[in-house]
Amino acid sequence: ETGVTQSPTHLIKTRGQQVTLRCSSQSGHNTVSWYQQALGQGPQFIFQYYREEENGRGNFPPRFSGLQFPNYSSELNVNALELDDSALYLCASSLPGVQTNVLTFGAGSRLTVL
Amino acid sequence: QKEVEQNSGPLSVPEGAIASLNCTYSDRGSQSFFWYRQYSGKSPELIMFIYSNGDKEDGRFTAQLNKASQYVSLLIRDSQPSDSATYLCARGGNAGNMLTFGGGTRLMVKP
Repeated sequence: ETGVTQSPTHLIKTRGQQVTLRCSSQSGHNTVSWYQQALGQGPQFIFQYYREEENGRGNFPPRFSGLQFPNYSSELNVNALELDDSALYLCASSLPGVQTNVLTFGAGSRLTVL
Repeated sequence: QKEVEQNSGPLSVPEGAIASLNCTYSDRGSQSFFWYRQYSGKSPELIMFIYSNGDKEDGRFTAQLNKASQYVSLLIRDSQPSDSATYLCARGGNAGNMLTFGGGTRLMVKP
């Protein structure tokens, strides 16, 4: 059974650029969530995808968008990058229903915006 | 007031002692609570979750939930240096589709 895999692990961008982060969910998990973790803080919920549809969104602007594919993998896209977008972006997969909150996290993608 | 609050620490305990980590939350309707451990530079790992008032034990870990007082705690018995990490408390969303995390408590277990 494979876990949650994310790519790339590290990347550096400049303000105004766009970035795409990718996630493959754990085998059997059809729900994917994305979290942003700034240095020294707890993760903050960005959004969740289930059956290729957005199924909940946190307090993030529309320039944060996502996709889920039929194989349950997912992408997080961030447009018009700002310095404050520098953070660890965590993808987590889970089962639907009562197990939705039992998350398995990937190793994360660390984004630095200069 | 933050939805989930934790003392950032660091909490320092000697090896073999009991470490007690606390978390308070503001939404009385919260039903589920989670404790994650995060080593420096790594992603969070689930330790345990609790839905009902009282204690839930798993090995050296005990989660305690008191809904009337709106707090959750995690006890780690026989603390080991390998337990040194940041411990994140989270509450489950009412719609079941998000976790709200506290800022985490850094635990240091000294040999």
